[in-house]
Amino acid sequence: EAGVAQSPRYKIIEKRQSVAFWCNPISGHATLYWYQQILGQGPKLLIQFQNNGVVDDSQLPKDRFSAERLKGVDSTLKIQPAKLEDSAVYLCASSLGQPSTDTQYFGPGTRLTVL
Amino acid sequence: GQQVMQIPQYQHVQEGEDFTTYCNSSTTLSNIQWYKQRPGGHPVFLIQLVKSGEVKKQKRLTFQFGEAKKNSSLHITATQTTDVGTYFCAGSPNNNDMRFGAGTRLTVKP
Repeated sequence: EAGVAQSPRYKIIEKRQSVAFWCNPISGHATLYWYQQILGQGPKLLIQFQNNGVVDDSQLPKDRFSAERLKGVDSTLKIQPAKLEDSAVYLCASSLGQPSTDTQYFGPGTRLTVL
Repeated sequence: GQQVMQIPQYQHVQEGEDFTTYCNSSTTLSNIQWYKQRPGGHPVFLIQLVKSGEVKKQKRLTFQFGEAKKNSSLHITATQTTDVGTYFCAGSPNNNDMRFGAGTRLTVKP
């Protein structure tokens, strides 16, 4: 079974530039999550999709971050414009259904460096 | 909002010693999950606890869920170098979202 795919694996940009990350969840997984993991910290949930609908985006900085999952499969996360404090690993995860009952499978992450 | 706290932040042990990390929530959790993240890797699911007072074992790992469902612990007996990594707990107060603790980074000296 293929795991969660993410691209790119690494990205270096200057502040105020824009960047986009892509995630392809495990086939058949209805729930998709985007996490931000700053070095030395635990993953912080940014947004959670159930199919193509948003379940939780309470911790998403909506003035600069946006995410979509138009067809209920792949998802993109965008930052525009980026700030220095956005430097982190952005993890995508997927699960069959709801997080309280299903295992979350994480992708390898995209390491973003903002200069 | 709901917070999940983990202690200690770091733990350095000699190979063969035991290790314990603790997770505490400000609110009652419907369940708790534990993940392990190797250096440079991504979190990998270890186990889920659902019932009050539940105890589960995986070889040298013992997981407990408190009676009040507000705390949990992971205990590793006789650590090995392969146990190195950061251990995260993640708790859900409802059925919609999961909050991760900051993790406990374990290093093992051979």
